[in-house]
Amino acid sequence: EVQLLESGGDLVQPGGSLRLSCAASGLTFSNYAMSWVRQAPGKGLEWVSTITASGGSRYYADSVKGRFTISRDNSKNTFYLQINSLSAEDTAVYYCAKGMYSGTYYFDYWGQGTLVTVSS
Amino acid sequence: DIQMTQSPSSLSASVGDRVTITCRASQGIANFLAWYQQKPGKVPQLLISAATTVQSGVPSRFSGSGSGTDFTLTISSLQPEDVATYYCQKYNSAPLTFGGGTKVEIK
Repeated sequence: EVQLLESGGDLVQPGGSLRLSCAASGLTFSNYAMSWVRQAPGKGLEWVSTITASGGSRYYADSVKGRFTISRDNSKNTFYLQINSLSAEDTAVYYCAKGMYSGTYYFDYWGQGTLVTVSS
Repeated sequence: DIQMTQSPSSLSASVGDRVTITCRASQGIANFLAWYQQKPGKVPQLLISAATTVQSGVPSRFSGSGSGTDFTLTISSLQPEDVATYYCQKYNSAPLTFGGGTKVEIK
């Protein structure tokens, strides 16, 4: 059974930084692209970033480009999201998700989410 | 970038009703469309990929149709456990945009 477990969410001051992690199990991690999707309180889903299986390609939403960095360590079955220059608009539950490739990616497994709150 | 517009944003229907949710892309995306269900307080779950392929374990009352710019998610007979917000997502190319969601409630 595929399991994704996020960690790293916290209360952070505006302008601060955070690193989110997502540990995967129950799959051959190095075969799959992985993504982050966020959901602000009471709002809809917003795709944030995707990293391909090898880590060779990375994609970002315009809203986070230049501030967020996705990475992965296939030896640890874990991928990450480094988030910098946080603002209140980044307050959200951040989900990690496994990508299924077709064109680009849709998401067949999701983690439980980790909450990032940006507030002074 | 291609925009994804869902309608309606919310609906209320009776148990047993047929429910239809529409997702429109601002440009053609072939069949690169997925539908997700997010029950209150829960994690999103994949219902349909490739516009029409219902995922294993999803009840047969759920179906998807469409191609190009116009897509539909249909619940043939609404059940109480279908109360949720439904999202479409395009995946022909980045950005992997979601629609704004459709909240389905029981009347």
